[in-house]
Amino acid sequence: AQSVTQLDSQVPVFEEAPVELRCNYSSSVSVYLFWYVQYPNQGLQLLLKYLSGSTLVKGINGFEAEFNKSQTSFHLRKPSVHISDTAEYFCAVKAALRGSNYKLTFGKGTLLTVNP
Amino acid sequence: KAGVTQTPRYLIKTRGQQVTLSCSPISGHRSVSWYQQTPGQGLQFLFEYFSETQRNKGNFPGRFSGRQFSNSRSEMNVSTLELGDSALYLCASSLIIGQETQYFGPGTRLLVL
Repeated sequence: AQSVTQLDSQVPVFEEAPVELRCNYSSSVSVYLFWYVQYPNQGLQLLLKYLSGSTLVKGINGFEAEFNKSQTSFHLRKPSVHISDTAEYFCAVKAALRGSNYKLTFGKGTLLTVNP
Repeated sequence: KAGVTQTPRYLIKTRGQQVTLSCSPISGHRSVSWYQQTPGQGLQFLFEYFSETQRNKGNFPGRFSGRQFSNSRSEMNVSTLELGDSALYLCASSLIIGQETQYFGPGTRLLVL
């Protein structure tokens, strides 16, 4: 089984400041890793994903994340945030077994609030 | 391509009633998963359907059930509603079962009074 820990439930930052949202996972098998964003009263939108290859993954809206296998982390970063980035961010993990029925397991979420 | 659609977007029910939620996946996607999102428990997996068969199930009571039709559309049913069933129910689709990336719909917000 997999589990995900998002270390910060809330992260307030000022506009144009850099931000890092932290995510750690545990799993007995190789995993795929994802970050989703949820804006108020909306569903989840895929920001980026790590499946294999380069450990630095670039996503939409200027976000990027780095997979660190030794530290079992997948932290999300953006060098300069905008007011419009205010949303809840979810880290998720899925067992990397082709054809498996393993479900997507989510962290509890991090609420990013960007202040002017 | 149109995204995942869910209907209705909002529902108000009373305890003891039952409810049916609908999900239409992205065209060509054949796997549909359902999740419940609450402030206390976060996002929890309900079940996954592929080729009209339930292939994976989370830890929810039997009051929660679902089905998938031949066109891959899926419905989720909750019988004998309880106050704790108030939540945002999210549907996600992927091309095939087990595929790594799921795409989510906007959700149905259910309020049980």
